[in-house]
Amino acid sequence: AQSVTQLDSHVSVSEGTPVLLRCNYSSSYSPSLFWYVQHPNKGLQLLLKYTSAATLVKGINGFEAEFKKSETSFHLTKPSAHMSDAAEYFCVVSETGGFKTIFGAGTRLFVKA
Amino acid sequence: EADIYQTPRYLVIGTGKKITLECSQTMGHDKMYWYQQDPGMELHLIHYSYGVNSTEKGDLSSESTVSRIRTEHFPLTLESARPSHTSQYLCASSDGRRDEQYFGPGTRLTVT
Repeated sequence: AQSVTQLDSHVSVSEGTPVLLRCNYSSSYSPSLFWYVQHPNKGLQLLLKYTSAATLVKGINGFEAEFKKSETSFHLTKPSAHMSDAAEYFCVVSETGGFKTIFGAGTRLFVKA
Repeated sequence: EADIYQTPRYLVIGTGKKITLECSQTMGHDKMYWYQQDPGMELHLIHYSYGVNSTEKGDLSSESTVSRIRTEHFPLTLESARPSHTSQYLCASSDGRRDEQYFGPGTRLTVT
């Protein structure tokens, strides 16, 4: 069975400081892992994905995530937050090639000026 | 930029009305999905489709129905809207070979 846990419902950072959004997953097989971002009143946009290639995945807008199998984690990071990064972020685990896709509960990122 | 469209973006409708939420994609994707998302909450899959004439119910029970007569079109219908149907509905599609889903902007439905 698959599951995904986003460890923080809210994260607040100051502009220019690092961002860390935490995600742990469980899966019975090798999963695909994703991070999506959702700005207010918008659909979800893919930030990055992991599909058993390099464990450090680079995405759009300066975000990256590292797949750590031993820790079953896929945390999202960015070295320096920008005001435009304020949004809801979803960690997603998916059965490769299938429809079984599980969304985390989301982490709302606040960026203070 | 993903080419997936949803109309209407916002809909306020009275109880008992029949409504259809439209979703279209121009990417030729085989797989399409409908999710329901309450404010500040996670997404729940309510319907999906492998391709034309193929539809399945998702994890979250829903009174809505879907059809897939054309590859690019995946409408969702509520025969009799109720206040409990008030939510945001997100449509997505994906290529059969890749797992990432492309999302439409969503339809925010309010049933009064």
